[in-house]
Amino acid sequence: SQQGEEDPQALSIQEGENATMNCSYKTSINNLQWYRQNSGRGLVHLILIRSNEREKHSGRLRVTLDTSKKSSSLLITASRAADTASYFCATDFTGGGNKLTFGTGTQLKVEL
Amino acid sequence: ETGVTQTPRHLVMGMTNKKSLKCEQHLGHNAMYWYKQSAKKPLELMFVYNFKEQTENNSVPSRFSPECPNSSHLFLHLHTLQPEDSALYLCASGRARGEMNTEAFFGQGTRLTVV
Repeated sequence: SQQGEEDPQALSIQEGENATMNCSYKTSINNLQWYRQNSGRGLVHLILIRSNEREKHSGRLRVTLDTSKKSSSLLITASRAADTASYFCATDFTGGGNKLTFGTGTQLKVEL
Repeated sequence: ETGVTQTPRHLVMGMTNKKSLKCEQHLGHNAMYWYKQSAKKPLELMFVYNFKEQTENNSVPSRFSPECPNSSHLFLHLHTLQPEDSALYLCASGRARGEMNTEAFFGQGTRLTVV
């Protein structure tokens, strides 16, 4: 299976704290992406990091990629209650065409 | 709003019914996808279309029949489903195979319940 696996499966933090989620995958990739899903709704793209990049920022989001370890992390700084959602990593693996393979996700709960 | 619209948002159907899910995008994308999301399982890719041609069928049972009449519209025809087919069905669009930036834009999904 090519799919990514997120860790932890669930994370509960207080508002203002940072949240870190990890993703591991199995084969070489063109890029890795992170998506967010509010309960029962569609996924929203957050950030894409290419295989030749090591770190990327977007607002309060910071993504790292270590291709030697086949892993990525998503850091959300200064979390807010509105960040409560499920977060998924998706890999565009080499030779896979234009399809994305998703992990099982991390459920983040940010409490007031 | 992501620019991808799915209808209906909710659907309850009996096992002998025939129904269709619709997806529409006006983002100028040439690739469209159907995904299935069941509880506690990763998103499962079902079908991929590039320039209206089906390029991926991920061993999906024939009771699911996709149709892509043009690059903006995608349907999923449902017939003789089973209760285990109950799930959130997500449509997505993106750039076609061979193009850079394979970011996917998702619709809000259709919550399907088979009774």
